[in-house]
Formats: sequence, structure tokens, C-alpha cells
Amino acid sequence: EDKVVQSPLSLVVHEGDTVTLNCSYEVTNFRSLLWYKQEKKAPTFLFMLTSSGIEKKSGRLSSILDKKELFSILNITATQTGDSAVYLCAALTGGGNKLTFGTGTQLKVEL
Amino acid sequence: KAGVTQTPRYLIKTRGQQVTLSCSPISGHRSVSWYQQTPGQGLQFLFEYFSETQRNKGNFPGRFSGRQFSNSRSEMNVSTLELGDSALYLCASSLVGYGETQYFGPGTRLLVL
Repeated sequence: EDKVVQSPLSLVVHEGDTVTLNCSYEVTNFRSLLWYKQEKKAPTFLFMLTSSGIEKKSGRLSSILDKKELFSILNITATQTGDSAVYLCAALTGGGNKLTFGTGTQLKVEL
Repeated sequence: KAGVTQTPRYLIKTRGQQVTLSCSPISGHRSVSWYQQTPGQGLQFLFEYFSETQRNKGNFPGRFSGRQFSNSRSEMNVSTLELGDSALYLCASSLVGYGETQYFGPGTRLLVL
């Protein structure tokens, strides 16, 4: 059975801190690893990673994939209260568009 | 460009009833996937439709079904509702459903009493 595990489950930091969120996966027919941010409702897309070792960046967020060790990390630098959300990672597998999600990391950024 | 829309946004049903949820993808998108989100199980894949055909299916009982129309709009149906079906149902659309980014709708919150 496909499995995606995220850690930590929750995290409380202060504004300005740097955080690292972890995602490991054990799936068959792996194609890509995706990160989403979910605040109140719909998950919003952050990154899609397909190749190992290539960092993707968007502002203060960055992510990298290690296909040998089967994990990915999401870094957020200089955190802001607006970064408070659940961060989800998901493995895209097989043909089509099936995503297997982890349970998410709840991040709270305090002043 | 309008995003993914889902109707209704909230729904209350009783056990044993059935329910139909609707999803309109982003214009031009032909793949629609459905997910169930609960506090205990997180986001779980239900099924994916492309060109009116079910292409992938998750591990849900046969009470959960779906379909897609020629304009790519999709519906999912849950028959004989159980308390455990209370969840946020999300749909996501993408261009052709082969590894491109999936964009999620706001979801339908279903409460089964």
C-alpha cells in the first residue's frame, strides 16, 4: 500500500524563524512529489518535484527531493504569521493523476 | 480564469440518504479527481475522470461513484450515507491528468446525522 509520512505533525515557531518540514514516501510507480499549503479550505499548490537534488524556490519557500532516500523537505525562511497553515505533501503515482497525501504538518507562526 | 467550483458548499444529510456533489473544472481542464478529507484519515483519493472515463479509483466502497460529462464537469454520488462519510469532499482539475499541477476547488462540507 502506498504511504506518505510527514513530520513533525505540528510545529509552533516565532516570526523570523526558519522551519524545515519533512516528507518521506513508500509508493509504487513514483512520478513526482508535490507540496500544497492548506489554510481554511482548498489546498493551494506550492511545488512539484520530479528530479532528485534540484532545489525549487519561490520567495522564502524552497523544496528539494531525494529519490534515493525517498524523501523531500520544504524549507520556509523568515517565517511570517501568514505562513500559518497545514502543509501537505503528496506523491503522484502510476498513470493519471492519483495523489497519495501525507497527513500534513500544522505550522503555527506566532509574533 | 475562473477556478475550480464546487456545489453545494455545505450539505446536511441523514444516514441512509444519498447525495450528489458537483465539480466544474477550470476551463480547458479535462481531468477531474475527487478526494475525501477527514481529521482522522487526511486527504484520500476517491477517483479520477478523464474524457468521461474513470481512469483511477481509490480504495472506497462501491457506494461512492462518479461520472464526468462531455464538458468535463463531474459529479460524485454517495449512496446509503453513513456517519463516517461526514467529510470535506474536494475536487481537483488539471489539463490532461498526466502529472501537471492539480488545482483544488473549495470543497463541499458534508455532515451526515
